[in-house]
Amino acid sequence: AIQLTQSPSSLSASVGDRVTITCRASQGINSALAWYQQIPGKAPNLLIYDASNLQSGVPSRFSGSGSGTDFTLTISSLQPEDFATYYCQQKFTFGPGTTVDIK
Amino acid sequence: QVQLVQSGAEVKEPGASVKVSCKASGYTFNNYDINWVRQVTGQGLEWMGWMNPNSGNTGYAQKFQGRVTITRNTSISTAYMELSSLRSEDTAVYYCARVLKLSGSYYFDYWGQGTLVTVSS
Repeated sequence: AIQLTQSPSSLSASVGDRVTITCRASQGINSALAWYQQIPGKAPNLLIYDASNLQSGVPSRFSGSGSGTDFTLTISSLQPEDFATYYCQQKFTFGPGTTVDIK
Repeated sequence: QVQLVQSGAEVKEPGASVKVSCKASGYTFNNYDINWVRQVTGQGLEWMGWMNPNSGNTGYAQKFQGRVTITRNTSISTAYMELSSLRSEDTAVYYCARVLKLSGSYYFDYWGQGTLVTVSS
């Protein structure tokens, strides 16, 4: 089964910062990767699918890139509502998550 | 608008079973797979299983094989997840999620609000 790892596991950042989160797959998955945001107490929310496609309604400060085994989620200018945990996903497998909190 | 509305919180004793419902609206229920994902407090997301509402076909994570059953009632656009032989480690929030299936890929575009299941004696 495919394993997903994420780095870092957590990070502290300030409003306005550019933030990058990495997801690595244990074997090549082409571009079949999604990113989700989860705010505490809420269900996950799909941000990016097929590695780089922005889900409808998601702000353009979120972007995704990568293919094969290495993927990146970037938040170009962190906003207060972006402090959350971010998960990558490939079919039935989720990464362990990256928590973004306030510096 | 697409909505998945789940049943309310449950408290169960060890060894019991729980059945969580997920009522879909705003789209044609039969046209999209439903999956179940759980999250233990403070931990990550754990996939449990999938169901095709049209055929009733299902698939389950090996970890839950023999303990989980996903069913549906198409007349009321509702999916169900039943977990049996509950233990304290099953205390978690359980989510249903609709599948966005693209060529070669599989994502979850709409989620229920979550149902907290607490297993305690």
